[in-house]
Amino acid sequence: EVQLVESGGGLVQPGGSLRLSCAASGFTFSDPYMDWVRQAPGKGLEWVGRTANKAASYTTEYAASVKGRFTISRDDSKNSLYLQMNSLKTEDTAVYYCRGGYWSSGSMDVWGKGTTVTVSS
Amino acid sequence: DIQMTQSPSSLSASVGDRVTITCRASQGIRNDLGWFQQKPGKAPKRLIYAASSLQSGVPSRFSGSVSGTEFTLTISSLQPEDFATYYCLQYNSYPYTFGQGTKLEIK
Repeated sequence: EVQLVESGGGLVQPGGSLRLSCAASGFTFSDPYMDWVRQAPGKGLEWVGRTANKAASYTTEYAASVKGRFTISRDDSKNSLYLQMNSLKTEDTAVYYCRGGYWSSGSMDVWGKGTTVTVSS
Repeated sequence: DIQMTQSPSSLSASVGDRVTITCRASQGIRNDLGWFQQKPGKAPKRLIYAASSLQSGVPSRFSGSVSGTEFTLTISSLQPEDFATYYCLQYNSYPYTFGQGTKLEIK
């Protein structure tokens, strides 16, 4: 079964750091680009960023709201995706989803169930 | 950044109705657009990719179309399980951007 499972969410104070993980199974993790998408309470979806695959040199792209504070990485040997979040703000409070697949093709589009990050003092 | 203007923000309809949801891109994005359905407490589920291609396993009552920079999701005959929130996403250029969402409610 194709699956993504996020972990690492929790409560953190403003200015703090948190690292989210996403464990993949059921597909060749090293192939697709991988994304993080978040959803603040009662709000819409926001694309956070993505990492490319090895063939594209693991390049990363980010939303302006997180650029310079968040870092996306992957470890293909561990079938894992990561989101390092630094200098957290209250507005970063959200459910964070990892997502894998191909945007332009129907071959795969898999999402995790999400992990909740709460930034509050 | 490309802005995606989605309308309406909410919609009340009955089982069996035909409904349309629209997203307008602030600039040309070719056909680089997907439509997603999200139910409360669940992850999004892709319905349409490349503006008009149906994701495998998605019922054929869902369809997508495009005219210039205006993209439309149509549900031909609403079923009870279709009441949810719908989002478009452009993946033509970074940063990728979602529409604001359309909450489809039972009339």
